[in-house]
Amino acid sequence: SQQGEEDPQALSIQEGENATMNCSYKTSINNLQWYRQNSGRGLVHLILIRSNEREKHSGRLRVTLDTSKKSSSLLITASRAADTASYFCATDPTGGFKTIFGAGTRLFVKA
Amino acid sequence: DSGVTQTPKHLITATGQRVTLRCSPRSGDLSVYWYQQSLDQGLQFLIQYYNGEERAKGNILERFSAQQFPDLHSELNLSSLELGDSALYFCASSVGGSFGDTQYFGPGTRLTVL
Repeated sequence: SQQGEEDPQALSIQEGENATMNCSYKTSINNLQWYRQNSGRGLVHLILIRSNEREKHSGRLRVTLDTSKKSSSLLITASRAADTASYFCATDPTGGFKTIFGAGTRLFVKA
Repeated sequence: DSGVTQTPKHLITATGQRVTLRCSPRSGDLSVYWYQQSLDQGLQFLIQYYNGEERAKGNILERFSAQQFPDLHSELNLSSLELGDSALYFCASSVGGSFGDTQYFGPGTRLTVL
């Protein structure tokens, strides 16, 4: 099964609301990244958080990492219709040899 | 625009055929990664090349092969195609060979096997 598992699978919210997506993983990691994918397009890197960091911000994005629970969350504040996309977490396992992507959360932001 | 280019954008072919997908990484990036994305399997890592050499292998079938050329562009060859090979194939590149590096994705090639 996937190293990274996003939750929920799909999320539908109104414009202006906050959206929170969660990612759980199984093994120790060096870092965790979040990517966005618009329908049928390539993934776009959003933010990277290292294993020794607990929280990171980038514009309207806030990422937290709890290595004791092996989980991360991505918060998008004041969502916009343009935020409609799939969001993936990707982990870089320690001692591993490849980045592992989760199945993604599909976010729908209604105008 | 990520700076990663992939050709062709769309490919429609028949079962049993062979196709070649091409990727040009961002200028200065030495690593190229190939991924397959299908509805039921999600994003699956296939293979990585770093500066012309194979660096890591993922869930790549024996019918598939890849290479990275001296100019750093890469090709993914898919042979004896089956219906289940229909998917989006993405190439990504990064500066270094570490999997912790940020990867920049191309727009993808949509393969349809009829």
